[in-house]
Amino acid sequence: AQKVTQAQTEISVVEKEDVTLDCVYETRDTTYYLFWYKQPPSGELVFLIRRNSFDEQNEISGRYSWNFQKSTSSFNFTITASQVVDSAVYFCALIPRGRDDKIIFGKGTRLHILP
Amino acid sequence: DTGVSQDPRHKITKRGQNVTFRCDPISEHNRLYWYRQTLGQGPEFLTYFQNEAQLEKSRLLSDRFSAERPKGSFSTLEIQRTEQGDSAMYLCASSPADVSPPSTDTQYFGPGTRLTVL
Repeated sequence: AQKVTQAQTEISVVEKEDVTLDCVYETRDTTYYLFWYKQPPSGELVFLIRRNSFDEQNEISGRYSWNFQKSTSSFNFTITASQVVDSAVYFCALIPRGRDDKIIFGKGTRLHILP
Repeated sequence: DTGVSQDPRHKITKRGQNVTFRCDPISEHNRLYWYRQTLGQGPEFLTYFQNEAQLEKSRLLSDRFSAERPKGSFSTLEIQRTEQGDSAMYLCASSPADVSPPSTDTQYFGPGTRLTVL
């Protein structure tokens, strides 16, 4: 099965707190790509990061960081020092093969950052 | 603005009517995708084009749905005889990915068309 699970449906934290969004994926393919997208209230999906299956290095971009662990099939996303503008729905996504580019999305985690 | 654009942003229609949505991808992007997103769910793949060729259609795309990309640039998605279950956000995405050599590139999404069928 090819699947993405985001177990956290909704999270609320107070501004400036750190928050981690969990993502677990399933795929039989050895080559695959993982993504995170942000969907603010306006509705547009905003690309955040792409990671291929051969690159397990963690990545940091400003207040955002991603932890990719093949051993646990997880690709978690942490926001440090959260801000109200981070409030959105965040989707983890998987593309199992290079030639077949249908994105498989998780159900999303709705993040509320409270002032 | 050179991102993916979609028109209209909102559409309200009565059951049984036909609707058509348009997507303009990022210039020179070869691939164009359509997804559908219902409330509380992640987007689900509907179909995609490599240039003007429609390469795959999801089983979610019933006979009432048709998509075209006649000149390999913009695309249209038509729904005939709309039903209340068609109410959703219809998202378009594009990527520069090539067939030869095969590649997977990041898909960039438009703002979506929200369809409400009364």
